[in-house]
Amino acid sequence: GNSVTQMEGPVTLSEEAFLTINCTYTATGYPSLFWYVQYPGEGLQLLLKATKADDKGSNKGFEATYRKETTSFHLEKGSVQVSDSAVYFCALSDYRGTSYDKVIFGPGTSLSVIP
Amino acid sequence: DTGVSQDPRHKITKRGQNVTFRCDPISEHNRLYWYRQTLGQGPEFLTYFQNEAQLEKSRLLSDRFSAERPKGSFSTLEIQRTEQGDSAMYLCASSLREGDEQFFGPGTRLTVL
Repeated sequence: GNSVTQMEGPVTLSEEAFLTINCTYTATGYPSLFWYVQYPGEGLQLLLKATKADDKGSNKGFEATYRKETTSFHLEKGSVQVSDSAVYFCALSDYRGTSYDKVIFGPGTSLSVIP
Repeated sequence: DTGVSQDPRHKITKRGQNVTFRCDPISEHNRLYWYRQTLGQGPEFLTYFQNEAQLEKSRLLSDRFSAERPKGSFSTLEIQRTEQGDSAMYLCASSLREGDEQFFGPGTRLTVL
């Protein structure tokens, strides 16, 4: 079945450090890939998405490239800020030719950025 | 419209009691989803609606769970005879159409004593 695996946290970084959160997936069909973010005390928000191979999603300085050959969608940011402290979820929605399936989430990676 | 809303935000109940949660999606969003999230885990899909039709239910949704969206607008999720294992955050999301971004509500945190 479809699944998402992401690196375990928590991840602690100093401000302005480089961030990578690894995500790999298993899917049938043609999945769309997402990164969602959950800030403390808030609901889930879509951070970025990519709908086909080699697409790059980007938002708020974060980027992720859809790599079909390695079934990966790693999240990166060149210089993190304290305000980026949150839980990040990798997710996929599998298009099976007639409809998109439900979204399947990874377990989440907690990021703490210290000044 | 300010987004997806859920009510109540918190619910504490005793084992064996019934509880009902409500979700109001963004206006004109045809799709409505329910997820469950336990501590340290990502949301797990429970069920979803296209307008008033319930199109899919997860194996996680036992017979004690029922969801409705009677007029294609708000939805309710009822849990009968609650068990301690039902304690979780219940999330609702909506999207304009299939494949579109899902907008999540703040969730209802259920604690079963």
